[in-house]
Amino acid sequence: SQTIHQWPATLVQPVGSPLSLECTVEGTSNPNLYWYRQAAGRGLQLLFYSVGIGQISSEVPQNLSASRPQDRQFILSSKKLLLSDSGFYLCAWNRDRITDTQYFGPGTRLTVL
Amino acid sequence: EDKVVQSPLSLVVHEGDTVTLNCSYEVTNFRSLLWYKQEKKAPTFLFMLTSSGIEKKSGRLSSILDKKELSSILNITATQTGDSAIYLCAVACTQGGSEKLVFGKGTKLTVNP
Repeated sequence: SQTIHQWPATLVQPVGSPLSLECTVEGTSNPNLYWYRQAAGRGLQLLFYSVGIGQISSEVPQNLSASRPQDRQFILSSKKLLLSDSGFYLCAWNRDRITDTQYFGPGTRLTVL
Repeated sequence: EDKVVQSPLSLVVHEGDTVTLNCSYEVTNFRSLLWYKQEKKAPTFLFMLTSSGIEKKSGRLSSILDKKELSSILNITATQTGDSAIYLCAVACTQGGSEKLVFGKGTKLTVNP
């Protein structure tokens, strides 16, 4: 069976500090991978998605970036965090053209102070 | 711009009540509509609907899609306190060869004993 991991679970960072969130998927190959942010009182906002190694599509221009160095690894980064980057970050995966259902990881709660 | 609108945004009921949650959408290249339940962390998958008029059912939860009206409803009968959660509606659409989910803001359901 497939499992998706995210870490860390919670993170408190000062404004201007860097960020690195990691997501890995087990039990499948060549998944589509997604990063979402859920801010308080708002829906899930798609940030990035990837259909393969090194292939990243950005949905919202901002100070975040994503990378996919390995087939089942997806990383969300920032060089300098802003207060507005606070939120709940979710990684998700699915299989291309087989099902639309996305399966979510446990999430990372990021607080920028 | 693709969008998904859920109503109501929040709902408070008593145990045993029946509730109906609504989801309407405007997207290009519709593939399916999904319902998720989010309690404290990651959304968990409930239903995927692709065909109009066919009800999906799981225990006390059921959902149906109306492609003509571009909408879906999620029904919960005989509600329990454990049904308290945010219910997310998402529409899968295809853009640039990849599948994406566009989420609504969710309906926060509170079931009081």
